[in-house]
Amino acid sequence: EAGVVQSPRYKIIEKKQPVAFWCNPISGHNTLYWYLQNLGQGPELLIRYENEEAVDDSQLPKDRFSAERLKGVDSTLKIQPAELGDSAVYLCASSGFGEQFFGPGTRLTVL
Amino acid sequence: GDSVTQMEGPVTLSEEAFLTINCTYTATGYPSLFWYVQYPGEGLQLLLKATKADDKGSNKGFEATYRKETTSFHLEKGSVQVSDSAVYFCALSSSYNQGGKLIFGQGTELSVKP
Repeated sequence: EAGVVQSPRYKIIEKKQPVAFWCNPISGHNTLYWYLQNLGQGPELLIRYENEEAVDDSQLPKDRFSAERLKGVDSTLKIQPAELGDSAVYLCASSGFGEQFFGPGTRLTVL
Repeated sequence: GDSVTQMEGPVTLSEEAFLTINCTYTATGYPSLFWYVQYPGEGLQLLLKATKADDKGSNKGFEATYRKETTSFHLEKGSVQVSDSAVYFCALSSSYNQGGKLIFGQGTELSVKP
């Protein structure tokens, strides 16, 4: 069974540029999560989807971050414009009934 | 709000040594508790979990017991191997079966030397 797929694995951009991350969850998983993991810290939830509906986006900085999950499958997380402090690992996870399965993450470096 | 505190790393042990990584939590109600492991270059993997007080989660020789009276969920292993070198995260969820978010501790890096 394929796991959670994320791309790209690494991204380097200059500040003020836009960037997008893509996630393909495990087939059949209705719940999708985006977490932010700063260096030396545990992941923190940015947004949670149930199918195509964002049910918890209270920690998403909406002035520069946006996300979508069209058709309740793949999801895209976008930052525009990126700031130096956005350098981190962006993790996607999905779950069916209980356990959350994590993708390998996208490591973003903002110069 | 809910939170998780785990012992700071890095922890360096010799092969076959006993491992304890402390984890305490603050939560309203009765959360589910988890240990996740992150090997270098890989995503987070669930190591073990416990969903109610006094439950013991176990996997790959690792164990942790849900202690409600001390709000703790310490990770233990009797004999570590070099292959156990990774970062370990303690986490909780107050609505696990409803897809609720995980709240993580800051992680503890374990390095096992031959």
